[in-house]
Amino acid sequence: SQQGEEDPQALSIQEGENATMNCSYKTSINNLQWYRQNSGRGLVHLILIRSNEREKHSGRLRVTLDTSKKSSSLLITASRAADTASYFCATVASKDYKLSFGAGTTVTVRA
Amino acid sequence: DTAVSQTPKYLVTQMGNDKSIKCEQNLGHDTMYWYKQDSKKFLKIMFSYNNKELIINETVPNRFSPKSPDKAHLNLHINSLELGDSAVYFCASSQRQVNSYEQYFGPGTRLTVT
Repeated sequence: SQQGEEDPQALSIQEGENATMNCSYKTSINNLQWYRQNSGRGLVHLILIRSNEREKHSGRLRVTLDTSKKSSSLLITASRAADTASYFCATVASKDYKLSFGAGTTVTVRA
Repeated sequence: DTAVSQTPKYLVTQMGNDKSIKCEQNLGHDTMYWYKQDSKKFLKIMFSYNNKELIINETVPNRFSPKSPDKAHLNLHINSLELGDSAVYFCASSQRQVNSYEQYFGPGTRLTVT
């Protein structure tokens, strides 16, 4: 069954703006990961945040995790046209370490 | 060098046929996966093998049979293909460690059943 749910489903922004997307999940997790999928391609791992971490940065990416609310957010700063893609959150469950994906947020960055 | 590769990239076939998709990883990982991505981009795990042993077997019709000849390969065989099997199938691999499970994905195989 689907574990994470992303919000919004789609996002359109101007180049240079920031993009924020959220992910909510249901069960206890070991870690949460964000992946990017360009059109017609496989998923690429972006960042992993463990359950005992609250914030993590990687280049222009900032991820937060609130385990009390069972939610995470991904912020892409100073977006570029190349950031146009679908972004998926994925949770690793504490009980069986199974990775479960959400439905994704489609981000379009307009030049 | 391709980390996770799949063949074929595209597969068009008729209902009732049997087909196979192959996957290979050169990352030295011990765990491999098959996922199905439907037209709404929802990604669902189908199978996972760790050191050639089946560890995840989700509710998938038994027409789907994975085979792992060694740690670097995980193939997917589908019997009696149905229209609903049309989707993109992704292979992935990871090194099974606590607090990790970062996965590396192949480019996908787009299966179209007519």
